[in-house]
Amino acid sequence: DTAVSQTPKYLVTQMGNDKSIKCEQNLGHDTMYWYKQDSKKFLKIMFSYNNKELIINETVPNRFSPKSPDKAHLNLHINSLELGDSAVYFCASSPKKRTASYEQYFGPGTRLTVT
Amino acid sequence: GQNIDQPTEMTATEGAIVQINCTYQTSGFNGLFWYQQHAGEAPTFLSYNVLDGLEEKGRFSSFLSRSKGYSYLLLKELQMKDSASYLCAVVDWGYQKVTFGTGTKLQVIP
Repeated sequence: DTAVSQTPKYLVTQMGNDKSIKCEQNLGHDTMYWYKQDSKKFLKIMFSYNNKELIINETVPNRFSPKSPDKAHLNLHINSLELGDSAVYFCASSPKKRTASYEQYFGPGTRLTVT
Repeated sequence: GQNIDQPTEMTATEGAIVQINCTYQTSGFNGLFWYQQHAGEAPTFLSYNVLDGLEEKGRFSSFLSRSKGYSYLLLKELQMKDSASYLCAVVDWGYQKVTFGTGTKLQVIP
């Protein structure tokens, strides 16, 4: 029944490692997003992905790369992890843009800790 | 660029009414969201305003003035469970971009 799911819920890893976070939505939505929420609770968009169109926030380091095997999945891969990457990462999805149905549904979040 | 401002913290009494303001200066604007986020949980949708005016939904109402770059969320008959952070977000569909403010942490006290 979960609308937007993420795995893992918690991820602890060392600097320099490469890790992935998976996201799946069963809502049939067209657009998926990745957000980063830092320790000050500021929620910042990283990527949006709509029908194979990827829009990247220009402030996101290229160590971060989204990968979408299909419309229901948008995974986040992070290379060479740094201490500053520690945050909660939220996946979200929404129906087609520019329609009346626009709200974003968020996954439960993945708390990443880099040591 | 996008600039969205909200008060950092607010405190209100159970049963009272509280208004959380949000001002924005953005290069693109197609609508404004309000989300609620309890500690340790994901944000959940509260409202979306596209046109000027007040939208009411139960105890929560949201107002938008596009000419003033201003919105507020009004919470009535406050309950303890309303203690949470409230996030204002501006959407620019042209760039599929949703920009969040820093959020307002509301504490409801007995």
